[in-house]
Amino acid sequence: EIVMTQSPATLSVSPGERVTLSCRASQSVTDNLAWYQQKPGQAPRLLIYGASARANGIPARFSGSGSGTEFTLTISSLQSEDSAVYYCQQYNKWPPLTFGGGTKVEI
Amino acid sequence: QLQLQESGPGLVKPSETLSLTCAVSGGSISRTTYYWAWIRQPPGKGLEWIGSIYYSGSTYYNPSLRSRITMSVDTSTNQFSLNLSSVTAADTAVYFCARHGRNYQLLPYYFDYWGQGIQVTVSS
Repeated sequence: EIVMTQSPATLSVSPGERVTLSCRASQSVTDNLAWYQQKPGQAPRLLIYGASARANGIPARFSGSGSGTEFTLTISSLQSEDSAVYYCQQYNKWPPLTFGGGTKVEI
Repeated sequence: QLQLQESGPGLVKPSETLSLTCAVSGGSISRTTYYWAWIRQPPGKGLEWIGSIYYSGSTYYNPSLRSRITMSVDTSTNQFSLNLSSVTAADTAVYFCARHGRNYQLLPYYFDYWGQGIQVTVSS
């Protein structure tokens, strides 16, 4: 099983700040890595796939980078509506498909 | 626009079987390029993939739950289902159904459409 580890667990930031979230895989997942945003009471929403491709309708302030075992989600200028939990997920090897434990972004 | 909607009982007794259905609208469940999945989220915790099914009935299950899971698909009604047997309090969670892509090598892609989720509580 590929274990996904996210850091930090919680991030407290101010609007307009640049935010960087990390995700590490226990073995290489090449670029088969997705990022999701989840707000309270809602289903996760796909932000990034293929490690760096933005999903349809996702604002340009969200960007992803990395390959192999180290990945980053960057929010270039945090908006109030970006307060959420962010999850990474690998789809390089299954079963199982695995998610990271999440990073909560507080504003 | 594709939509997924979970349905089923919100309360299940310990040792019984949890049964959920996901109705897919706005697209065919029989498209060859997609898998259909169940994912759960215990209260205050992260996401756990339960399993995925292809329209032909081929299944992929999380090894940690494999002995208790059965998934099925009904192409005539555009629905797929989850049965989780011998439930305990640890199975209390919000259960999501979702779609993910499938490449020519049968490997999965990311989850691009999700249902809103259904809360299932295991309690006597």
